[in-house]
Amino acid sequence: DAGITQSPRYKITETGRQVTLMCHQTWSHSYMFWYRQDLGHGLRLIYYSAAADITDKGEVPDGYVVSRSKTENFPLTLESATRSQTSVYFCASILDRGYEQYFGPGTRLTVT
Amino acid sequence: KNEVEQSPQNLTAQEGEFITINCSYSVGISALHWLQQHPGGGIVSLFMLSSGKKKHGRLIATINIQEKHSSLHITASHPRDSAVYICAVGYEKLTFGTGTRLTIIP
Repeated sequence: DAGITQSPRYKITETGRQVTLMCHQTWSHSYMFWYRQDLGHGLRLIYYSAAADITDKGEVPDGYVVSRSKTENFPLTLESATRSQTSVYFCASILDRGYEQYFGPGTRLTVT
Repeated sequence: KNEVEQSPQNLTAQEGEFITINCSYSVGISALHWLQQHPGGGIVSLFMLSSGKKKHGRLIATINIQEKHSSLHITASHPRDSAVYICAVGYEKLTFGTGTRLTIIP
């Protein structure tokens, strides 16, 4: 019972590089989310998806791209990483609207 | 002004004490969530509620819709309760408070 996993768990990249963070869930949950967590800001929603091929922006989408071709996967791509994107990224999923969220273990990304 | 405000930001207490963490929100909501994040990062959902009160073990969450306020209580606190407690509002898209760091001293 793997649940929701994220990879990599730690990543160091250089400014301007493209990097993709992976999120995989085994529950067939409809909704998936990407958040970033920064000191002083708490958790903020980047993008979310209500189902395969349906995605929408959250509070802080600039500089990020998502896709969801399969229900179980929701990758987050930083097209040209910037130092301001240094953060801890959490993926989450819910079965449907009105259910509690399940979070992945997080990916700590450092952009140098 | 943040839509979700938590107080206190930091709380240190002795083992066994009764703990209360508060959350106030400024928007109409469909649901309120309490989450727990231990050092090292994992986030776990404790409660999701839209009215009244819920209880799991030593944890109790209450919500007052008219006053736009929720509280998380911990009875007989233990060092393993040391964590950051996060309040969030929303049905699927969540808006989060900045968290309350709780430290329980043996």
